Amino acid sequence: DVKVTQSSRYLVKRTGEKVFLECVQDMDHENMFWYRQDPGLGLRLIYFSYDVKMKEKGDIPEGYSVSREKKERFSLILESASTNQTSMYLCASSSSGTGDYEQYFGPGTRLTVT
Amino acid sequence: DAKTTQPPSMDCAEGRAANLPCNHSTISGNEYVYWYRQIHSQGPQYIIHGLKNNETNEMASLIITEDRKSSTLILPHATLRDTAVYYCIVSYLTGTASKLTFGTGTRLQVTL
Repeated sequence: DVKVTQSSRYLVKRTGEKVFLECVQDMDHENMFWYRQDPGLGLRLIYFSYDVKMKEKGDIPEGYSVSREKKERFSLILESASTNQTSMYLCASSSSGTGDYEQYFGPGTRLTVT
Repeated sequence: DAKTTQPPSMDCAEGRAANLPCNHSTISGNEYVYWYRQIHSQGPQYIIHGLKNNETNEMASLIITEDRKSSTLILPHATLRDTAVYYCIVSYLTGTASKLTFGTGTRLQVTL
């Protein structure tokens, strides 16, 4: 089974802190994604990566950056956390080629910024 | 711009078929229809996808109208574990990193 793990299920940070959210997948997938999910807004794509060291902006990249130094790991970075970044963050991965429609999601990290 | 329109909520009795509709009137010729679901406190899970033909797998069936402007996801014998938010997504299959735009979905409540 594909497994996507996220470093924390719950995280509380203070305004202005630098926050790292880590995601690891064990299926050798080329593609990895970061979403945030807010009530009434659904899932929104922040950034994605289709290869090591490659990244592309999603729909709401402002206030975030990402890092992909190894194929299995994709990090989301909040350079200076703000209260409006309080949200559920979901990581996903998929393979390239004919199976790239199927994204496998992690359990999510609920981040609260106070 | 919303590419799909789904009812916000639906109820279904356990053991009955759950039919979840989706409108995608602006779908392009090469865009696929995907369905995912999200059970409470979990990440979304892929269910099924299709282009033109009806599709069936072990989880569900997907019926796409001939003009492709709407589709229906069918769970043939709904159980309490099917209670979830169901997302209908329209997107190109790029072969590299297909982007999926999740809307707010349909919250399906399966009851005894």
